[in-house]
Amino acid sequence: DTGVSQDPRHKITKRGQNVTFRCDPISEHNRLYWYRQTLGQGPEFLTYFQNEAQLEKSRLLSDRFSAERPKGSFSTLEIQRTEQGDSAMYLCASSSNGQANYGYTFGSGTRLTVV
Amino acid sequence: GDSVTQMEGPVTLSEEAFLTINCTYTATGYPSLFWYVQYPGEGLQLLLKATKADDKGSNKGFEATYRKETTSFHLEKGSVQVSVSAVYFCAFHNNAGNMLTFGGGTRLMVKP
Repeated sequence: DTGVSQDPRHKITKRGQNVTFRCDPISEHNRLYWYRQTLGQGPEFLTYFQNEAQLEKSRLLSDRFSAERPKGSFSTLEIQRTEQGDSAMYLCASSSNGQANYGYTFGSGTRLTVV
Repeated sequence: GDSVTQMEGPVTLSEEAFLTINCTYTATGYPSLFWYVQYPGEGLQLLLKATKADDKGSNKGFEATYRKETTSFHLEKGSVQVSVSAVYFCAFHNNAGNMLTFGGGTRLMVKP
């Protein structure tokens, strides 16, 4: 297993465009998390899936953001009508049931720049 | 609300110096505590963890002790090298929730 994979690594988009990011978790992990990290700050929780069910969403996740995990494996995070304030690193992480208290495995992130 | 407070950086040290990065938390219940490290352009790597009071997490010469009475989890290393220059994040996972709460990070710069 190669760990948590995220694609793309970098994305530059014009304001108002839609973008979609993909995350492939560690195969045996049933929990998947999305975080956002702005420059010089710690990661902030966005949303959490257990298998295909989205169980928790942060207030940070505005109506322009949507996340899916259709078959309980990979996940996508879509941002519609991007704004400059969406520029950040988007991190995906995964863990297994009963192991969440022992730490998550993070991907390398997708850096979004909205111009 | 739940939060993590870390000492602000950057922390600049010479090689072989002793490192301490302070971390305190505010959380309900009995959280698990973590230190993550982030090298430039990369995601977060779990450095060490402690899941109950008085536990000491350790890895690669780094240590941190879960102090419930002071709600602290300070990171220490006896002798630093240039290669450990990175940003360090303190975090906790509350057993009642499904998320990690992070501090703002502390940038460590080690000079030869």
